[in-house]
Amino acid sequence: NAGVTQTPKFQVLKTGQSMTLQCAQDMNHNSMYWYRQDPGMGLRLIYYSASEGTTDKGEVPNGYNVSRLNKREFSLRLESAAPSQTSVYFCASSPLRDSGNTIYFGEGSWLTVV
Amino acid sequence: EDKVVQSPLSLVVHEGDTVTLNCSYEVTNFRSLLWYKQEKKAPTFLFMLTSSGIEKKSGRLSSILDKKELFSILNITATQTGDSAIYLCAVVMKTSYDKVIFGPGTSLSVIP
Repeated sequence: NAGVTQTPKFQVLKTGQSMTLQCAQDMNHNSMYWYRQDPGMGLRLIYYSASEGTTDKGEVPNGYNVSRLNKREFSLRLESAAPSQTSVYFCASSPLRDSGNTIYFGEGSWLTVV
Repeated sequence: EDKVVQSPLSLVVHEGDTVTLNCSYEVTNFRSLLWYKQEKKAPTFLFMLTSSGIEKKSGRLSSILDKKELFSILNITATQTGDSAIYLCAVVMKTSYDKVIFGPGTSLSVIP
């Protein structure tokens, strides 16, 4: 059972370049999320998707776009990377409206923008 | 504004010590509180708490929730160097998509 899989694990970009972080989950979860984690700031929500075909902004959406391609996949795109986007990115998923929800994380993607 | 606060933000203890990590929250439509341990990579799930006063226990770790006072504690007894990590508290809210708010984390270092 793979859980939440995200790629790439490491990436170095030049300022202004674009890239897409891929995420897939095999747990049939409805909700999917993209977080970024920076030192001392915890996990901050970039975008989320409550179900296939829907996406909404989280706490820090500027500079990012997302696509919920199907129930399994949720990608995050940086159109024009900036050094401020250097961070660790986590994709996550959770079942929806269950009383016993937890949130499951991918292994993280370390992104450096130079 | 919904928020989750953790204290202390960092802590250094010696092996064998007992530590208590704190998490307080102010959110609308609380569903559950989650504790995670994060080492070098993805957070790993520790506990989910939904009811006040019921202790969850796993080995040397335990946690309890107080929904009246809006806080939770995570206790670690007889700490080991392998307990060194960031401990994250998160609150799940009853929204259309299970909105989850994370605290900043407590960085725990256990020294021999």
